[in-house]
Amino acid sequence: SQQGEEDPQALSIQEGENATMNCSYKTSINNLQWYRQNSGRGLVHLILIRSNEREKHSGRLRVTLDTSKKSSSLLITASRAADTASYFCATGDGTGNQFYFGTGTSLTVIP
Amino acid sequence: DAGVIQSPRHEVTEMGQEVTLRCKPISGHNSLFWYRQTMMRGLELLIYFNNNVPIDDSGMPEDRFSAKMPNASFSTLKIQPSEPRDSAVYFCASATSGVHEKLFFGSGTQLSVL
Repeated sequence: SQQGEEDPQALSIQEGENATMNCSYKTSINNLQWYRQNSGRGLVHLILIRSNEREKHSGRLRVTLDTSKKSSSLLITASRAADTASYFCATGDGTGNQFYFGTGTSLTVIP
Repeated sequence: DAGVIQSPRHEVTEMGQEVTLRCKPISGHNSLFWYRQTMMRGLELLIYFNNNVPIDDSGMPEDRFSAKMPNASFSTLKIQPSEPRDSAVYFCASATSGVHEKLFFGSGTQLSVL
């Protein structure tokens, strides 16, 4: 399978804490993206990091990428109950034409 | 912009019946993707179209599945005959052509095959 894998599968934290989830992938990439999925809804794009970047920030989100280890991490700082969702990483196949999603991390933020 | 529109939102059918899922991509997007999501297998890419042409259908599970994109504003995913193991949420996503940097997803179709 070309899918990536997120770790952990499930994460439960208190509101205000930071949440870190990791993604490992198998193929070479030109970018890696993170998506969020609320229960019963489609995925929503959060942030993209290119293969020549090591870190990127967007609001409370911080993404890192280590292409030598084929891994990425997503940090959500000062979490809120509304951040409760599943988070997926998606990797392009190098041509930028197809995306393969990981298995997702289910995040629960307890108020 | 209405976003990617999928119909129906829910479909319950009996084994052996034909099922047709529909998708209207965002206007101006010329790449379209069909994904299937299950607890066991996560999100699987089934097929990808660019400019209405199927580019890669290697993810289509078997001949019972077929997808078409007759024009830039409409795509269908058909399962004939359906089986209980086809039960899943099917998502359509669209993007602008070239190096795709952001997929826009529809709300999905929850399919239950009894």
